Amino acid sequence: AQSVTQLDSQVPVFEEAPVELRCNYSSSVSVYLFWYVQYPNQGLQLLLKYLSGSTLVESINGFEAEFNKSQTSFHLRKPSVHISDTAEYFCAVSEGPGGSYIPTFGRGTSLIVHP
Amino acid sequence: EAGVTQFPSHSVIEKGQTVTLRCDPISGHDNLYWYRRVMGKEIKFLLHFVKESKQDESGMPNNRFLAERTGGTYSTLKVQPAELEDSGVYFCASSQTSPNTGELFFGEGSRLTVL
Repeated sequence: AQSVTQLDSQVPVFEEAPVELRCNYSSSVSVYLFWYVQYPNQGLQLLLKYLSGSTLVESINGFEAEFNKSQTSFHLRKPSVHISDTAEYFCAVSEGPGGSYIPTFGRGTSLIVHP
Repeated sequence: EAGVTQFPSHSVIEKGQTVTLRCDPISGHDNLYWYRRVMGKEIKFLLHFVKESKQDESGMPNNRFLAERTGGTYSTLKVQPAELEDSGVYFCASSQTSPNTGELFFGEGSRLTVL
């Protein structure tokens, strides 16, 4: 069985400051890793994912996450946040090749960007 | 292209009543998933359809929950009779089978409040 831990339920930060949202997972098999974002009154949408290859993955709006197998982590970072980044962020893990592909989600981290 | 749509967006019912939630996946997506989020907690997997077949229903809480996907198109999730602990946001998601990128496309969710 796999699980995801997002230790921070809320992360307040000022605009243009850097931010890191932490995600740790546990799994006995190889994994795929995801970050989803939920803006107010919208559904979850994929922000970025790691399937294979380079352990550093990036999104189109400046977020990046690094797969660290030894630490079983997939932390999300952004060097300079914007007000519009205020949202809830969910880390998810699914089984890798040959697995079920059904992601297991964490409890979410609410990113609150203050002006 | 239309995204995943869910209806109703919000339902308030009394304990013991019945509620039916509906999900229309993205056209052509064979995979359909139901998840639930109880306030402040993780998004928990309920079940997975491949076309009209239940592939995995290990997350269904109990036999008060019944999910169907007749004809492999839209899906319904019925709760009968509803209990207080059933309150939460029910998310539907869909994905394609080939190629399977691991990405799920989510609806905006149906918020259920049981009084």
